[in-house]
Amino acid sequence: KQEVTQIPAALSVPEGENLVLNCSFTDSAIYNLQWFRQDPGKGLTSLLLIQSSQREQTSGRLNASLDKSSGRSTLYIAASQPGDSATYLCAVDSGGSNYKLTFGKGTLLTVNP
Amino acid sequence: EAGVAQSPRYKIIEKRQSVAFWCNPISGHATLYWYQQILGQGPKLLIQFQNNGVVDDSQLPKDRFSAERLKGVDSTLKIQPAKLEDSAVYLCASSLPGGETQYFGPGTRLLVL
Repeated sequence: KQEVTQIPAALSVPEGENLVLNCSFTDSAIYNLQWFRQDPGKGLTSLLLIQSSQREQTSGRLNASLDKSSGRSTLYIAASQPGDSATYLCAVDSGGSNYKLTFGKGTLLTVNP
Repeated sequence: EAGVAQSPRYKIIEKRQSVAFWCNPISGHATLYWYQQILGQGPKLLIQFQNNGVVDDSQLPKDRFSAERLKGVDSTLKIQPAKLEDSAVYLCASSLPGGETQYFGPGTRLLVL
């Protein structure tokens, strides 16, 4: 059974700081890994999707890396802004035809002005 | 393009009562998912539909939860009777056939007293 762990559970940083969120998964046989953002009272928004054959994906100030063999992924946020404050969730798709996602508990990020 | 719609946004009921949630996916999205997100946890898949058919309901507590997707579009999720531990946010998501990206609705926040 796939299990996804995210560290830290919460993180508070001053504006402008670069930061890294961590995600680990127990079964390396994944199809892809996604990072989502969740704002209070809202649904999830997909930020980055990394295929199992890829090492990293970039979108603006966000960079996600994947090391499938070690079961780890990181989300790097450059020059953080107060608007980045949200919960960040990591999810793995263990393949098959169902695109079934297993989520971590998330990291609550607060960026202070 | 309209996103995934869910209603109601909030619901408070007493234990042993019944409740139903409604989801309207993005037009053309054949795959529909219902997730349960308990406070402090990541979303957990309850049921996945492909058009009218159920693809995966392995984590759906079938003694009290039921879901249907008539005509392959809208879906309803029902809980009868509700328990205290059912207090959670119920998220609906949809995706294109064979699509890896799931688009989430804002969720229905359920409180069982």
